[in-house]
Amino acid sequence: GNSVTQMEGPVTLSEEAFLTINCTYTATGYPSLFWYVQYPGEGLQLLLKATKADDKGSNKGFEATYRKETTSFHLEKGSVQVSDSAVYFCALEFGGSNYKLTFGKGTLLTVNP
Amino acid sequence: DTAVSQTPKYLVTQMGNDKSIKCEQNLGHDTMYWYKQDSKKFLKIMFSYNNKELIINETVPNRFSPKSPDKAHLNLHINSLELGDSAVYFCASSQDNRFSQPQHFGDGTRLSIL
Repeated sequence: GNSVTQMEGPVTLSEEAFLTINCTYTATGYPSLFWYVQYPGEGLQLLLKATKADDKGSNKGFEATYRKETTSFHLEKGSVQVSDSAVYFCALEFGGSNYKLTFGKGTLLTVNP
Repeated sequence: DTAVSQTPKYLVTQMGNDKSIKCEQNLGHDTMYWYKQDSKKFLKIMFSYNNKELIINETVPNRFSPKSPDKAHLNLHINSLELGDSAVYFCASSQDNRFSQPQHFGDGTRLSIL
């Protein structure tokens, strides 16, 4: 079956530090890949996505590249801010009539000033 | 060994009907959630229960009523279904209701209203 493995948190960084949150997946076929972000007390917002191999998703300074050869979709940001403190979820999606969205367990990021 | 299981996976029904979606977790978690995925892929939190007690009740129509018979189950009952209820609904659980706790998601239930 499909699965997503992301690095366990919590991750604690100082402001302006470089961020990497690793995500690898197992899937039959060619899923789309997503990163979601969840701020305290809120739902999950789509942060970025990539729909095919070698695509790079980017948003708000975050980037992730769909690497088919390593089945990975690592999230990176060059300089984190306190406002980036949240839980980040990696997910894979198969669309169409057999729609399925599979989440990783989430990684808590805390950025200190 | 599915950790969070939702049934059914697909539900196609007529407008005006009443339907239920069931969710069960075998992780021994205290907290369970229901989310609705909108057209922009945003998962909006609807309800959260901690040890069978309602702790989050977002602004959703009162046609939606959660029920938690025990802490391993959180079912979602929807009365008088409307076209706008068509969506994918996700159940999740976590050890407790602290924000830092990892959430485990079910596979989703695709609800289609005709």
